[in-house]
Amino acid sequence: ILNVEQSPQSLHVQEGDSTNFTCSFPSSNFYALHWYRWETAKSPEALFVMTLNGDEKKKGRISATLNTKEGYSYLYIKGSQPEDSATYLCAFYSGGYNKLIFGAGTRLAVHP
Amino acid sequence: DVKVTQSSRYLVKRTGEKVFLECVQDMDHENMFWYRQDPGLGLRLIYFSYDVKMKEKGDIPEGYSVSREKKERFSLILESASTNQTSMYLCASSRGGKGEKLFFGSGTQLSVL
Repeated sequence: ILNVEQSPQSLHVQEGDSTNFTCSFPSSNFYALHWYRWETAKSPEALFVMTLNGDEKKKGRISATLNTKEGYSYLYIKGSQPEDSATYLCAFYSGGYNKLIFGAGTRLAVHP
Repeated sequence: DVKVTQSSRYLVKRTGEKVFLECVQDMDHENMFWYRQDPGLGLRLIYFSYDVKMKEKGDIPEGYSVSREKKERFSLILESASTNQTSMYLCASSRGGKGEKLFFGSGTQLSVL
């Protein structure tokens, strides 16, 4: 059974703090790793799709890294703002399984 | 602005009722998906479709069926709703091909009483 683990489950930070979360996935048969942001009452929205070992992607204050050999990805938020409050989902696409497998998410709350 | 639209944001149904959840996308995407999201669990795939009139079971298809008569529309059907189908249902679409990013609807929170 393919499993994607995200940690921590939830996180409370103060405005201006930098933070990071982890996504762990099986290291075999890797095809792609996705990160999504899901704000309350909105649709989940894709942040990054990463396919190559060592990939680093950036969007504003948010960045992500990928290590396919050891099976993990980090998402970093620099200088968190209240509008960053959301659930961050990662999803692993296995070449053998041919479907996205989602982790349970990290719920981030940024307090002013 | 590209869109995936789900017909209802909130829905309350009785046990045993037949329930239809509708999803429409305007991006001409080949792939469409239905997920459910429950507290503490990742999104779980119910059914998906790679083409019109084509459907494949996901990880938790029991108690559900789907219909894709037109490319832009993917319907999820609960044949006889049960309380354990109370959940948030998310529809998504993507371009054809492996590992493409998903575009999601805003979800339907279904309560089965």
